[in-house]
Amino acid sequence: DAMVIQNPRYQVTQFGKPVTLSCSQTLNHNVMYWYQQKSSQAPKLLFHYYDKDFNNEADTPDNFQSRRPNTSFCFLDIRSPGLGDAAMYLCATAWGQNQPQHFGDGTRLSIL
Amino acid sequence: AQTVTQSQPEMSVQEAETVTLSCTYDTSESDYYLFWYKQPPSRQMILVIRQEAYKQQNATENRFSVNFQKAAKSFSLKISDSQLGDAAMYFCAYKGQGAQKLVFGQGTRLTINP
Repeated sequence: DAMVIQNPRYQVTQFGKPVTLSCSQTLNHNVMYWYQQKSSQAPKLLFHYYDKDFNNEADTPDNFQSRRPNTSFCFLDIRSPGLGDAAMYLCATAWGQNQPQHFGDGTRLSIL
Repeated sequence: AQTVTQSQPEMSVQEAETVTLSCTYDTSESDYYLFWYKQPPSRQMILVIRQEAYKQQNATENRFSVNFQKAAKSFSLKISDSQLGDAAMYFCAYKGQGAQKLVFGQGTRLTINP
């Protein structure tokens, strides 16, 4: 049973056209994370929510925004995607600070 | 800032044999957590094993075990009786006590030869 669900699995958008990726979870975890992973690289944390508190990484571009309307859902908005934003985007959840993170299958984003 | 280094970009092993993946890290903290994650091609990243730094005993999960050397800041993963399904990218990760952020190594791509 999928516990961290990312939709869609594959997303294609045009250069500069806003795109939203979604993540939902059935684990009732209070922490949700968004990572960017480029080919053959380690995941790079973009931001995370601890409950409703939003925490942005210092080097996350302003182009990337996030919303968490409730415990179960979290969205990644890319306002004006550039070619360099093509990547796998991973959502992860955790219960509190010291528990392992559970990852979704990821959304592979392509930019035309 | 903490860093995690995986010095082996690629490893290969014969099916049924044992392989060890290396990981070293740098930190000034005394309490932290270390993880190995497995990411098969086009599939979900899953937790393989977890080690709390305050525990001296090495963590073990079935065929997977770690050699945690706190003083040396080393955290290697041993996979015994390798199976074809073990083929994946393996990431070593560090998390400080009370921190939210996982710091990942660059990954080691493991190939299992039949």
